[in-house]
Amino acid sequence: SQTIHQWPATLVQPVGSPLSLECTVEGTSNPNLYWYRQAAGRGLQLLFYSVGIGQISSEVPQNLSASRPQDRQFILSSKKLLLSDSGFYLCAWTGRLTQNTEAFFGQGTRLTVV
Amino acid sequence: GENVEQHPSTLSVQEGDSAVIKCTYSDSASNYFPWYKQELGKGPQLIIDIRSNVGEKKDQRIAVTLNKTAKHFSLHITETQPEDSAVYFCAARTPYSSASKIIFGSGTRLSIRP
Repeated sequence: SQTIHQWPATLVQPVGSPLSLECTVEGTSNPNLYWYRQAAGRGLQLLFYSVGIGQISSEVPQNLSASRPQDRQFILSSKKLLLSDSGFYLCAWTGRLTQNTEAFFGQGTRLTVV
Repeated sequence: GENVEQHPSTLSVQEGDSAVIKCTYSDSASNYFPWYKQELGKGPQLIIDIRSNVGEKKDQRIAVTLNKTAKHFSLHITETQPEDSAVYFCAARTPYSSASKIIFGSGTRLSIRP
């Protein structure tokens, strides 16, 4: 069966420090991968999505970047965190269009920038 | 790009009554419409979905309807129970192979009053 791992679960970082959140998927190949951010009490904002290795599409200009060094690995990064980067970050994957289209989410990372 | 609007943002219903959440989408090419339930501190979980070739789908107390002409879809929960309290998200997926994204609504916080 397919599983998605996301870590860490919680993170407290000072302003100006770097960030690296990692997400890996098991049990499938060639997934579409997504990073979402959820601000407190708000909806899910799509930040990045990837349809293949090295292919990253950015939805919102911001202080963050994403990379996909391997087929089932998706990394969210920042060189210098801002207070406004605080939030709940969710990684998700979907199959290709001809396959199961359901999105499966990781358990999320709660990032607090202080 | 696709835009999904969701109403209401908060909803409080008496236990046993029905709850209805409505969403509209902008991209007429979107062909997959999932609904997710998110409990506090966790990632969203799929509860029901509908594809564009179907007008209605039901799973026990949960049903979803889709009106492609009007580009709106709704979630109906009957005989609500305390465990239905959560945040619910609608979403739409675009079918483009090079840019298949899942765009979420802003969420509805459903509270069930005992």
